[in-house]
Amino acid sequence: GQNIDQPTEMTATEGAIVQINCTYQTSGFNGLFWYQQHAGEAPTFLSYNVLDGLEEKGRFSSFLSRSKGYSYLLLKELQMKDSASYLCAVRGGNSGGYQKVTFGTGTKLQVIP
Amino acid sequence: DVKVTQSSRYLVKRTGEKVFLECVQDMDHENMFWYRQDPGLGLRLIYFSYDVKMKEKGDIPEGYSVSREKKERFSLILESASTNQTSMYLCASSLGTGGAGANVLTFGAGSRLTVL
Repeated sequence: GQNIDQPTEMTATEGAIVQINCTYQTSGFNGLFWYQQHAGEAPTFLSYNVLDGLEEKGRFSSFLSRSKGYSYLLLKELQMKDSASYLCAVRGGNSGGYQKVTFGTGTKLQVIP
Repeated sequence: DVKVTQSSRYLVKRTGEKVFLECVQDMDHENMFWYRQDPGLGLRLIYFSYDVKMKEKGDIPEGYSVSREKKERFSLILESASTNQTSMYLCASSLGTGGAGANVLTFGAGSRLTVL
């Protein structure tokens, strides 16, 4: 099965940089997602890593190390609107389950002035 | 843009009732998923489907069943609702084939179910 760990809460200052870590153990791996979820809303897609390394997309970057079962989401130049939960999710499983996407419990980020 | 539509935003049902949650996507996606989201527990996968009439159990399938008779529609069924099934239910879909972008999940707005 899948086991995904990420911190429950983080606080950071507007304009700063924050790194949200995610570690995972999985029986099959076909990629790792990061989603953003504002309170009362559905999750929205941020990034998808399949290969090791850093993917940069504007203020957001995501890193993956498959050998270490580790990923992080890096948010730069934090804005108040970045206050949200950030969900790490792993795609993979055995046989027909390779399309399965399992989420961690999410990291609630509070950005303060 | 892909649209994933969940039939009911809020439902209130009684213990023992049969409940149907409907989800429709309009972009010919292969994969569809049902999750429930509870405070402190995050999103937990109930069932998913990678093709018409195909279904796979997720991590918490007990007390639920699903139906996918048409590609665009994925229904979640609670045969006999119980109070511990009070939750936010989220449906999602993904294209399935065609590169990295094909695996991105698009979510519906959610259905908040209360079982009394």
